[in-house]
This record gives sequence, structure tokens and C-alpha cells, in this order.
Amino acid sequence: NAGVTQTPKFQVLKTGQSMTLQCAQDMNHNSMYWYRQDPGMGLRLIYYSASEGTTDKGEVPNGYNVSRLNKREFSLRLESAAPSQTSVYFCASSVTGGTGELFFGEGSRLTVL
Amino acid sequence: SQQGEEDPQALSIQEGENATMNCSYKTSINNLQWYRQNSGRGLVHLILIRSNEREKHSGRLRVTLDTSKKSSSLLITASRAADTASYFCATDGSNSGYALNFGKGTSLLVTP
Repeated sequence: NAGVTQTPKFQVLKTGQSMTLQCAQDMNHNSMYWYRQDPGMGLRLIYYSASEGTTDKGEVPNGYNVSRLNKREFSLRLESAAPSQTSVYFCASSVTGGTGELFFGEGSRLTVL
Repeated sequence: SQQGEEDPQALSIQEGENATMNCSYKTSINNLQWYRQNSGRGLVHLILIRSNEREKHSGRLRVTLDTSKKSSSLLITASRAADTASYFCATDGSNSGYALNFGKGTSLLVTP
């Protein structure tokens, strides 16, 4: 049982390049989330999807887009990467949103040069 | 915006000692959760305490919640080197929308 799987684990981009972070969960969870973690800043919510077919902005959505492809998959896209987007990105899922326990992936470390 | 704030930012203790971490938050909550993050890994859920509970235990973990002071504490008893990690509190306060807000974490180092 894999839980939440993120790919890639590491990525280096040049400023202006685009890329998509993939996330898949096999727990039949309804809600999925993308957070970024920066030193001294804790985790900040980028986007979330309360259920299949819906997505909403979190605290720091600028520069990102998301797609809830189906119930299992929630991708995060950087259209034109900037050095300020250098971070560790975590995908998480929960049975339902709001108050439930989150299950996290192992993270994707992105460096933008 | 981040609702929970952990204190201290860093804590260093020896094996066998107890470790206490605190979390303060700003708005009313339905529940508060604690997570652990080992270096280079994802976060793992430890315990959830509801707003109508005052104390909860799970193995060597003891969590308290004081909604009048908007604060929570996590106590790890008889710490082990394997407890070395960062610990985060997360709240579902009224300003969080549909998702949890995480604090900046407490970094715990347990030395043999």
C-alpha cells in the first residue's frame, strides 16, 4: 500500500522553465492538497481539492496551477519557474477536508536557478 | 495564514528525558493535530485532539489543549534518539478554509 506518491523527488529548473509535479494516492481519499515548505516558514498551502472536480486557492497560489485529474491524482504545475519557487513541495490527502488527518507524500525538492 | 506557532523553535535533550513542546493559535478551532517530520521525509500524523477534549494520550505522547488560552502542548516521555525530528501543530481554525494551517515547528534533538 503506497499511500501518497510524489514524482519527481528532485528537480532542477532554470528560471522561466515549466514543470509539473505529480501526486497520486491509493487510499480512496476525497481531498488532496499541495503545500510548500521553506526554512523558517513551516508549511504553506498552495492549492487544495476538496473533492474530485473541484480546486481552490490556498495561502500562496501565485505562480502555480493545479489539476485534479481524477480521484487519485492531483498535479501541480509551474508555468514559468522563478527562484522564489525553490522549495520542498508536499502533496497530502485526507478522507475529507477540514478537520481530517492528512497523509503526506515524501516531498519533491525543487531548485530554480 | 499560519495559525499555530510552536515554542521553542529548537529543543535539545538527552535520552530518557521528557520533551515538551507548545503550540499557540489565534482563532477558534474544531481540533488540533500534531505531526512529526523526520529529516528529509514527509510529515506523519501523531495525534488529534478535539476542542472539547482537554487531554489525550497515545503511547509515550501526551497532548493537552486549553481552548481558553488557545494553546496546546505535546509531551514526549522517556525520549529516545529515534524521536529526533521536527514537530508541527496544525489547526483547522476559522480562517483556514478547507485545509489545515501548520506552525513553523519545533526541532527536537535527542542525544544518546
